[in-house]
Amino acid sequence: QKEVEQNSGPLSVPEGAIASLNCTYSDRGSQSFFWYRQYSGKSPELIMSIYSNGDKEDGRFTAQLNKASQYVSLLIRDSQPSDSATYLCAVNANTGNQFYFGTGTSLTVIP
Amino acid sequence: NAGVMQNPRHLVRRRGQEARLRCSPMKGHSHVYWYRQLPEEGLKFMVYLQKENIIDESGMPKERFSAEFPKEGPSILRIQQVVRGDSAAYFCASSLILGQGRGELFFGSGTQLSVL
Repeated sequence: QKEVEQNSGPLSVPEGAIASLNCTYSDRGSQSFFWYRQYSGKSPELIMSIYSNGDKEDGRFTAQLNKASQYVSLLIRDSQPSDSATYLCAVNANTGNQFYFGTGTSLTVIP
Repeated sequence: NAGVMQNPRHLVRRRGQEARLRCSPMKGHSHVYWYRQLPEEGLKFMVYLQKENIIDESGMPKERFSAEFPKEGPSILRIQQVVRGDSAAYFCASSLILGQGRGELFFGSGTQLSVL
């Protein structure tokens, strides 16, 4: 069973702060890692993908990957109330083209 | 440049009826995934299909549920003899697999199934 673990939260941060979301995965052979944002009642929306160890930045979002520790994180700088959503971590193992999702972390940005 | 198209957006069925959920992948994508999500819960994988083939159905209930992705037309998730516990949001996603596990998954807007 390939597992993806996230803290369910809720995580609350004040507006303008950095929100840090964490994810661990069990399959050491995993190759691709993704962060999705899901607003209540909506479908998941891809916000970041990362394939190599290190950091990847896109605007206010930074994804960090450490394959040795089997750990991937998402940092949101200058958090805005519109960032309030559930953030899903997903992992694609090299075999089978299967995507495994964590249960999500609920983030609330307080104005 | 249409994304993943799902219909209907909302579907109401009475217990014992059949539900058919449709999904057209993004243009150029040949891999389709179905997920189920209950309120306040995570995405549960159901089935992964390519054109005319079921690749992985390990998340599908053994009875009443089936899926297909024909050579022509959308992918269909079929639920026979629905029960109240089938009420959930059903999301379809598609991907263009680029090899070495790369390729991103894009979701449709989902079908909210309500069983009365």
